[in-house]
Amino acid sequence: DIQMTQSPSTLSASVGDRVTITCRASQTIGSWLAWYQQKPGKAPKVLIYKASSLKSGVPLRFSGSGSGTEFTLTISSLQPDDFASYYCQRYNGDSETFGQGTKLEIK
Amino acid sequence: EVQLVETGGGLIHPGGSLRLSCAASGFTVSNNYMSWVRQAPGKGLEWVSVIYSGGRTYYADSVKGRFSISRDSSNNTLYLQMNSLRAEDTAVYYCATSPNDGNWGQGTLVTVSS
Repeated sequence: DIQMTQSPSTLSASVGDRVTITCRASQTIGSWLAWYQQKPGKAPKVLIYKASSLKSGVPLRFSGSGSGTEFTLTISSLQPDDFASYYCQRYNGDSETFGQGTKLEIK
Repeated sequence: EVQLVETGGGLIHPGGSLRLSCAASGFTVSNNYMSWVRQAPGKGLEWVSVIYSGGRTYYADSVKGRFSISRDSSNNTLYLQMNSLRAEDTAVYYCATSPNDGNWGQGTLVTVSS
C-alpha cells in the first residue's frame, strides 16, 4: 500500500504568517491528492483537490502544489479561523490513505 | 443541495455486528465514488473503504474481511456492514463523496466496548 507521510505534525505560527505543510507519497500518485481542514467536533472540509485545484468557496490564501510524490499546502497569510488540523489524502486508487495530520496552533 | 446523513452508530459489544447507513440527497449514490472514513477519539482520519461508480470496492487492511461496503439505488443510500467488531473500531464514522466534490456527512459514533 502507498503510505502518506505528512510533516510537521505540529506547527506554531502567528496571524499573518505564511505556512507550508508537506505531504510525501511512498510511490507516485500523479495529482490524486486532496487537502482537508478539520476543526474539533466537525467533519473535515476539502480545501484542495487534484493537488492544486481550490475548492469553490475556499479563500484564495490557500494553495496546493506538487505532483508525483511531493505535495505542499500553503497558507499565504494566516487568519484566526485557520488554526485547525490539516490532512492530506491520496485518492482515486485502491487505498486512499490519509497523512497523519498537522495541528496548526497559535504561537 | 447535496446532503449526507449517517445513522446506525451506537454501543456494541466486541465481536458484534452493526450496519451503518448514509442517506444521500441531491445526487445519485450509484453514479458516484463514495467512501467511509473514521476517526478514533483524539486521533487522525483513517480511510476505511471506497466504492466506485462501476462497483469496484476496496478496503483498508485493518477492516478487510470484516467490513463490507454496498449501496442501494432504490433508496439512494450507502451502507457499511461491520462484523467481528473490536475495541479499536471505536470511532466516528463519516461517509463522503469524492474529494473532487468534497461532501461529508456529520458522522455517527460507534463504540465497541463490553
